Amino acid sequence: AQTVTQSQPEMSVQEAETVTLSCTYDTSESDYYLFWYKQPPSRQMILVIRQEAYKQQNATENRFSVNFQKAAKSFSLKISDSQLGDAAMYFCASYGVNYKLTFGKGTLLTVNP
Amino acid sequence: DAGVTQSPTHLIKTRGQQVTLRCSPKSGHDTVSWYQQALGQGPQFIFQYYEEEERQRGNFPDRFSGHQFPNYSSELNVNALLLGDSALYLCASTVLTRDTQYFGPGTRLTVL
Repeated sequence: AQTVTQSQPEMSVQEAETVTLSCTYDTSESDYYLFWYKQPPSRQMILVIRQEAYKQQNATENRFSVNFQKAAKSFSLKISDSQLGDAAMYFCASYGVNYKLTFGKGTLLTVNP
Repeated sequence: DAGVTQSPTHLIKTRGQQVTLRCSPKSGHDTVSWYQQALGQGPQFIFQYYEEEERQRGNFPDRFSGHQFPNYSSELNVNALLLGDSALYLCASTVLTRDTQYFGPGTRLTVL
């Protein structure tokens, strides 16, 4: 079974600053994927970034990047140059051979102007 | 390129009733998964459909059932509704050989 833990229920950041959201996971699988999804008040779940576990290089998507530490089973999300539109609930999720996404409980990010 | 669509947007039912939610996958996708998201929680996996069959199931009772049609669209049926079934129901689609699931806007179900 896979488990995903997000230890920060809420985070806040000033506009244009950088923030890091934490995530740890546990899995017995060797082949898996990790994701960060964003859920704004509209409740639409939007993919932010994905990481294949077999790749050592950290994924980046514009202002979003991850720090993937496979041995430590850690997968944090860094948001650079934060914008007001980044305010949302962020979910870390894992996906393995059992075909299901396992989500953490989420981190609510507030961006202050 | 149409994304994942779900209907209806909102639904209000009473305890004991039955409900059907619908999902059309993103163009080119053949696999549909359903998730239940209670308020303040992360989504929980209900089941996944591929080639019109249930491929994997999460920890949900048999009151939750589904179907996938030849055009890959899917339905989620919930019988004997309980107050605790009130939640946002999310549909996600993917291509079998790939890993990234794309979500629809969800259906908000309220059980009174």
